[in-house]
Amino acid sequence: LAKTTQPISMDSYEGQEVNITCSHNNIATNDYITWYQQFPSQGPRFIIQGYKTKVTNEVASLFIPADRKSSTLSLPRVSLSDTAVYYCLVGVTGGYQKVTFGTGTKLQVIP
Amino acid sequence: DSGVTQTPKHLITATGQRVTLRCSPRSGDLSVYWYQQSLDQGLQFLIQYYNGEERAKGNILERFSAQQFPDLHSELNLSSLELGDSALYFCASRKNSDTDTQYFGPGTRLTVL
Repeated sequence: LAKTTQPISMDSYEGQEVNITCSHNNIATNDYITWYQQFPSQGPRFIIQGYKTKVTNEVASLFIPADRKSSTLSLPRVSLSDTAVYYCLVGVTGGYQKVTFGTGTKLQVIP
Repeated sequence: DSGVTQTPKHLITATGQRVTLRCSPRSGDLSVYWYQQSLDQGLQFLIQYYNGEERAKGNILERFSAQQFPDLHSELNLSSLELGDSALYFCASRKNSDTDTQYFGPGTRLTVL
């Protein structure tokens, strides 16, 4: 499973766009990139998943460059309720492989 | 609501004791994962089951064991408990295709005194 590196923490003001980048230099051909959100004392919640280029849903966008060695989660116009830990996962999670969440990025949204 | 249920929600016990945590996956999901999350720590993968069989093992202690039953619910058994075992224990389930995501339960908070 590819190792990922994310910033430990980020601060942002309400209403701003937040971009969280994840590095995954050892990503394999079959690997997908998945982002989860976790609030305190709750289980992680799926946000978005992609393989290449750009994916957008009602919550976020995921930008993946051509070499796929990194990815950027973009949260438009964040609010206080977006304060959470965001995890980047890389791997073929359909297989029987160990899943590593890492320490994630703690996003603090400031009023 | 993810569709994954975990019981109990809270559990307080003493060192040396044994406890069992239960997880019911989403309807139709064959795969169950167990994770441990200590205070202010990331999620540590413990073990995965698929349709009753163990498929992957992470940093699971020998004092811990798990199983998945024919009805697909899973139990995580923790024995000879130590203070350091106090944590949130999450269960997640998925159908098990390449792009399927994991759906997490609300967790069981274990406190060992």
